[in-house]
Amino acid sequence: EAQVTQNPRYLITVTGKKLTVTCSQNMNHEYMSWYRQDPGLGLRQIYYSMNVEVTDKGDVPEGYKVSRKEKRNFPLILESPSPNQTSLYFCASTRDSLASPLHFGNGTRLTVT
Amino acid sequence: AQSVTQLGSHVSVSEGALVLLRCNYSSSVPPYLFWYVQYPNQGLQLLLKYTTGATLVKGINGFEAEFKKSETSFHLTKPSAHMSDAAEYFCAVSESDSWGKLQFGAGTQVVVTP
Repeated sequence: EAQVTQNPRYLITVTGKKLTVTCSQNMNHEYMSWYRQDPGLGLRQIYYSMNVEVTDKGDVPEGYKVSRKEKRNFPLILESPSPNQTSLYFCASTRDSLASPLHFGNGTRLTVT
Repeated sequence: AQSVTQLGSHVSVSEGALVLLRCNYSSSVPPYLFWYVQYPNQGLQLLLKYTTGATLVKGINGFEAEFKKSETSFHLTKPSAHMSDAAEYFCAVSESDSWGKLQFGAGTQVVVTP
């Protein structure tokens, strides 16, 4: 089954403790992206990647890192999480460009205390 | 740079009534426009998109949207609401010459009443 898989679904952590949210897609998509969803703000793009070893900042990259060493994986790294990073995070992928539909994972709900 | 405005964070419609969700955008170049739907505890699914060509776009589940360049709008409609249409709807825009960046509106929560 074609899908985007994020792990974990839920994560509670403390300020400053490094964490990684994994994202993997099995559709051989070139493009992958991370978003955070907050009430009243919709989804805001954190980082995106157009191919292996090619990443770029979205609208809200501060406090986040990404890497794209393999086509299928696009982990989101929070080196020193803070409470304002408490949010619902989505990973998405698409075949080649944004003219193609995005496939979303089911989300990771992160709470930073 | 592009931006998206969705009018109304909550919309309540009666079952069988018209659904109209408004989206206005700003873009300095021809945009790609999308509507996505999010059901509870799920990721987003594409309803429909406009890239080029016909300005009236039909999507899944009976939804359609019309791209009006002069009004910079991409409103979503469905003639007759069904209970299963209760969800959150997001309009999104990408600029055709700088693909990679996708901007979402704040979302509209649709409630369908019997």
